[in-house]
Amino acid sequence: DGGITQSPKYLFRKEGQNVTLSCEQNLNHDAMYWYRQDPGQGLRLIYYSQIVNDFQKGDIAEGYSVSREKKESFPLTVTSAQKNPTAFYLCASSEGGADTQYFGPGTRLTVL
Amino acid sequence: AQKITQTQPGMFVQEKEAVTLDCTYDTSDPSYGLFWYKQPSSGEMIFLIYQGSYDQQNATEGRYSLNFQKARKSANLVISASQLGDSAMYFCAMRATAYSGAGSYQLTFGKGTKLSVIP
Repeated sequence: DGGITQSPKYLFRKEGQNVTLSCEQNLNHDAMYWYRQDPGQGLRLIYYSQIVNDFQKGDIAEGYSVSREKKESFPLTVTSAQKNPTAFYLCASSEGGADTQYFGPGTRLTVL
Repeated sequence: AQKITQTQPGMFVQEKEAVTLDCTYDTSDPSYGLFWYKQPSSGEMIFLIYQGSYDQQNATEGRYSLNFQKARKSANLVISASQLGDSAMYFCAMRATAYSGAGSYQLTFGKGTKLSVIP
């Protein structure tokens, strides 16, 4: 079955540690996205990539980094520079930048 | 800049009744798309329905329909014959459909409406 997978589902991190969230898709989509969701809020865009080896900052990129070495993979690293990283992180993909975005199941990150 | 406003933090509906979730938007883009997503308690965002700004007819997908009023800048979601499984958060979102530089296709989300279906 085609879809988007994110791992892990839950992640705990100590302050000062970097952590990497995985996002994989087998939909053959060109574009991939990372969003952050805080309680009672909508989604905010962190980074997006419309093609392999290229990515752009979204509204809240500070303290995050990404890579896009393969079409199917778009990992997100939450660095120690991110002041308030506890949140729900959602990955999405679309055929092209102008197409409907489909989402993965999300990763809930908690900083202890 | 784009903005989505969902004024109903929470809504209740009786099972089998219809319900309308409100969404108003603001944009300077001449061409745009409007989306509704459902987020159950599990967290995954599920795409429901899409409306293009130049589409002549309101979009429908099964029990979901989008009441698009361009002059009023509203894109309300109508769910007919509500089911218990419809209980979830619902998000309205929009983006431009014509490329005008980096970030053109970025989705802007509202804060959502929590729908509870009562048996």
